[in-house]
Amino acid sequence: GQNIDQPTEMTATEGAIVQINCTYQTSGFNGLFWYQQHAGEAPTFLSYNVLDGLEEKGRFSSFLSRSKGYSYLLLKELQMKDSASYLCAKGNRDDKIIFGKGTRLHILP
Amino acid sequence: KAGVTQTPRYLIKTRGQQVTLSCSPISGHRSVSWYQQTPGQGLQFLFEYFSETQRNKGNFPGRFSGRQFSNSRSEMNVSTLELGDSALYLCASSRDRGSEAFFGQGTRLTVV
Repeated sequence: GQNIDQPTEMTATEGAIVQINCTYQTSGFNGLFWYQQHAGEAPTFLSYNVLDGLEEKGRFSSFLSRSKGYSYLLLKELQMKDSASYLCAKGNRDDKIIFGKGTRLHILP
Repeated sequence: KAGVTQTPRYLIKTRGQQVTLSCSPISGHRSVSWYQQTPGQGLQFLFEYFSETQRNKGNFPGRFSGRQFSNSRSEMNVSTLELGDSALYLCASSRDRGSEAFFGQGTRLTVV
C-alpha cells in the first residue's frame, strides 16, 4: 500500500511555530518530500530527506525517521504568507512519487 | 530558465468527448509525471514517462493514456470523458527519475 497520512487542517498564530506530521508505509521507501501549495497555484518543492535526522533550511526544517515511517515539517516564525497546503510525498524505489492529501495550514494574525 | 509549461490552462468539455493535455518540461529534464488533483482525493499519480517510455502507472482506467516525445514533451489523453474527470491535471518534470519534481500551473478540466 501507499498510505500517507497527514492531518487535514491545522491552525497556528503568526510568529509561532507549527509542526506538521506525516506517516507513511515503509516498504519500498526511497526518500520523503515536502511541497507547499498555495490556493490556485502549483506545488513548489520545500525539502527532501533520505537519511534520518533534521534538515534545516531557513525558517523551515524537515525531520525523518525511516524506521518509524515518520516525518515532520517544522515552520518557525510563521508569517501570513505561510497559509497554504503542505504536501508530504513518499518516493518509492520504483521512482514513483506518491503524495498525501495535504495539510491545509491557516495562519491567524 | 523556463519552468514547466502546461496547455491549455482551462478547458470545458462535455461527457463522452475526449481531451488532450500538453506539458513541456524544463529544458534538460527527462522525466515527466502526471497527477490528477481533486479536493477530496488530493494529488493522485497517473503515470510517469522517461525517455519516451511509460515507466510507472497509477490506478486509473484505460481511458487515461499518455505519451512522451523525443524532446521530452508529454501529452496525456482522456477519452470518453465522465463528470468525475473534472479536476486539475498537473504535470511535473524532474531531471532524473525520483528526483525533485517541478510542477506546471496545471490544466483545469471541467466536464459538463
